Amino acid sequence: GQNIDQPTEMTATEGAIVQINCTYQTSGFNGLFWYQQHAGEAPTFLSYNVLDGLEEKGRFSSFLSRSKGYSYLLLKELQMKDSASYLCAVKEYGNKLVFGAGTILRVKS
Amino acid sequence: EPEVTQTPSHQVTQMGQEVILRCVPISNHLYFYWYRQILGQKVEFLVSFYNNEISEKSEIFDDQFSVERPDGSNFTLKIRSTKLEDSAMYFCASRPPGTGPQPQHFGDGTRLSIL
Repeated sequence: GQNIDQPTEMTATEGAIVQINCTYQTSGFNGLFWYQQHAGEAPTFLSYNVLDGLEEKGRFSSFLSRSKGYSYLLLKELQMKDSASYLCAVKEYGNKLVFGAGTILRVKS
Repeated sequence: EPEVTQTPSHQVTQMGQEVILRCVPISNHLYFYWYRQILGQKVEFLVSFYNNEISEKSEIFDDQFSVERPDGSNFTLKIRSTKLEDSAMYFCASRPPGTGPQPQHFGDGTRLSIL
């Protein structure tokens, strides 16, 4: 079966660092993707990992441990516009992405 | 930056009617997808399409649904005999050619409301 777990909500302060965790159990694995989704809008691609380790893209970094079925998204220097839902998605063998329910991040001043 | 475009942005339809949702994927992309998101729920895979045929579909994608690439640019999702529970945001996505887990790029979605 497929199971992707993320915290439902998180709150952080502007300028701070926040880590959003994702654990997964899927029947196959061919990459883990992070998307940002503002309310009523499309998911926007942020980062992905195929191999273990850290991938850095500006203020966003993503980490993967395949043996633990674990990933996190790290957001640095938080801005108010970072308030959004963050979606963890696993690509199994084949074409589809399997999404978690998303983590709503609220950034406060 | 090239993007996936979807029309209409909002579609209101009576239950039992047929709807066609339209998408123009990014021009050099070869893999196309439809996902849906019921309000407050997770994004769910419906179908993937490559080389003019369905490559994978979910349990949701039953005989009520069909996809088509009628020409070199459009990719459509048809829903027949719509039901109240078909109300959702429908996202089209595409990804570039090449091996490996290339990211999928999503359009802004069509909000489908069934009355």
